[in-house]
Amino acid sequence: EDKVVQSPLSLVVHEGDTVTLNCSYEVTNFRSLLWYKQEKKAPTFLFMLTSSGIEKKSGRLSSILDKKELSSILNITATQTGDSAIYLCAVLVQGAQKLVFGQGTRLTINP
Amino acid sequence: DTGVSQNPRHKITKRGQNVTFRCDPISEHNRLYWYRQTLGQGPEFLTYFQNEAQLEKSRLLSDRFSAERPKGSFSTLEIQRTEQGDSAMYLCASSPRGGNIQYFGAGTRLSVL
Repeated sequence: EDKVVQSPLSLVVHEGDTVTLNCSYEVTNFRSLLWYKQEKKAPTFLFMLTSSGIEKKSGRLSSILDKKELSSILNITATQTGDSAIYLCAVLVQGAQKLVFGQGTRLTINP
Repeated sequence: DTGVSQNPRHKITKRGQNVTFRCDPISEHNRLYWYRQTLGQGPEFLTYFQNEAQLEKSRLLSDRFSAERPKGSFSTLEIQRTEQGDSAMYLCASSPRGGNIQYFGAGTRLSVL
């Protein structure tokens, strides 16, 4: 069965800190890995990673995929209170259209 | 581009009642998905449409659940004879032809009393 595991499940840091969120997967036919940010509403798309070793960057957020280790990390530098959210990792399986999600990491940024 | 729209945002019902949710995808997105999310968990796939054809269904979708997309635009998800275990957030997403990024709506939160 396809499986995505995120760690940590919960993280509390101070504003200005740098955080690293982890995602590992076991799937039959990997196609892409996606990161979403979920506040009290719709999950919003952050990154899609298909190739190993190529960093995607958007402002203070960056992500990279390691297909050898079957994992990805999401980095957030100089965190702000607005970064507080649940961060979801999902894998798109080749041949299917469904996303397989991890449990999410609840990130809390304290001022 | 108004995004994926879901209605209602919240639904409270009594056990045994039927409920129906609506999803309007992003205009011209031909793929539409339904997911269910319970507290502390990531979304779980329920079903997927390409245009009006329902191409994939999860085993989570029991015979009390039915989804339709009659004209290939909006979709409805109906739950018959609701149970307390059906309480969850029901998320809808859409993606364009040939695209892999799924864009989500804000969801419908169902509470079954």
